[in-house]
Amino acid sequence: GDSVTQMEGPVTLSEEAFLTINCTYTATGYPSLFWYVQYPGEGLQLLLKATKADDKGSNKGFEATYRKETTSFHLEKGSVQVSDSAVYFCGAYNFGNEKLTFGTGTRLTIIP
Amino acid sequence: EADIYQTPRYLVIGTGKKITLECSQTMGHDKMYWYQQDPGMELHLIHYSYGVNSTEKGDLSSESTVSRIRTEHFPLTLESARPSHTSQYLCASSDASHSYNSPLHFGNGTRLTVT
Repeated sequence: GDSVTQMEGPVTLSEEAFLTINCTYTATGYPSLFWYVQYPGEGLQLLLKATKADDKGSNKGFEATYRKETTSFHLEKGSVQVSDSAVYFCGAYNFGNEKLTFGTGTRLTIIP
Repeated sequence: EADIYQTPRYLVIGTGKKITLECSQTMGHDKMYWYQQDPGMELHLIHYSYGVNSTEKGDLSSESTVSRIRTEHFPLTLESARPSHTSQYLCASSDASHSYNSPLHFGNGTRLTVT
């Protein structure tokens, strides 16, 4: 079956630091890829997406590029803020079984 | 801005009680899902539905049941709650006609504690 592997957390960074959260996937065919964010006490919100190879998704200063050759979709941000503290989930959508498979989540804490 | 609503947000209940977690969406989405989120954050799909009168078991076995009598409504029921059911339950929906590009929309969740 499909699987998504995320960088284990928790991750703690200082404000304005550079962020990378690694994500790799195993899936049949060419899935659509997503990053979701979960703020404390809330559900998941879509952060960004990419639907084909070499697409770059971006939102709120975050970016991720669909790399088919390395089956990766790493999340990056050049300068993090305290408000970015949350849990981040990588996901892969498989058209064949119509399911979205999530990684285990990475908790990010930004300290002032 | 939530177009998918879950009630209650928090529920503390004793062992053996029957409970129903409500989930409604106003987007006309065909697909709806229930995820269980454990304290370690990992999400487990426990039920999903492709439309009215369609329900399927997810990847994680669950003692809960679901129904889909109306497009907008996808309640989850536990006939007899146990402490092992303590968790956060997240409801989600998506547009079946644009699955490749249409992500799941999540509610804010119900945090269930069974004492």
